[in-house]
Amino acid sequence: KQEVTQIPAALSVPEGENLVLNCSFTDSAIYNLQWFRQDPGKGLTSLLLIQSSQREQTSGRLNASLDKSSGRSTLYIAASQPGDSATYLCAGTTGNTPLVFGKGTRLSVIA
Amino acid sequence: NAGVTQTPKFQVLKTGQSMTLQCAQDMNHNSMYWYRQDPGMGLRLIYYSASEGTTDKGEVPNGYNVSRLNKREFSLRLESAAPSQTSVYFCASSVTTGTSQPQHFGDGTRLSIL
Repeated sequence: KQEVTQIPAALSVPEGENLVLNCSFTDSAIYNLQWFRQDPGKGLTSLLLIQSSQREQTSGRLNASLDKSSGRSTLYIAASQPGDSATYLCAGTTGNTPLVFGKGTRLSVIA
Repeated sequence: NAGVTQTPKFQVLKTGQSMTLQCAQDMNHNSMYWYRQDPGMGLRLIYYSASEGTTDKGEVPNGYNVSRLNKREFSLRLESAAPSQTSVYFCASSVTTGTSQPQHFGDGTRLSIL
């Protein structure tokens, strides 16, 4: 059974800093991995999706990587802004199965 | 661009009452999901429907039933609500289960059971 872990649970950084959020998974037969953002009181918004055949995906200041052999994915946020403050969740699937979610990292970017 | 719409947004129930949470998507997605989110527990899958006419249990199905009414709509029913079912419930949809396309979420239903 796929298990997804995110460390740390919470992170606080000053504005402008580059940062990395970590996600680890137990089943290397991962089919795709997604990163989501959740603002307080809201649903989840998909940020990036990496297929098993890909190593990374980029969208603006966000870059997500996937290393199946080590069971890890990272979300890199460049030049962080207060508007980036949110909870970030990763989730993976091993095929025709629903996504399994990590518990998220709560990010605070301090102005 | 409605996406995934959940109703109601908030609800308070008494223990033992029943209730149905409604979810509809307008993206012609085949697969739909119900999750609950609790502090410190993350998102846990209750039930999902890989395609119209099928439903399957997720990680925490006890105390819930679902109906895939048609391709657009997927409802979640609590037959006899318990305080342990106080949570935020999210509906989601995707092209297919395990697809290479992103999963889309509704804004959630905040349910309190007294």
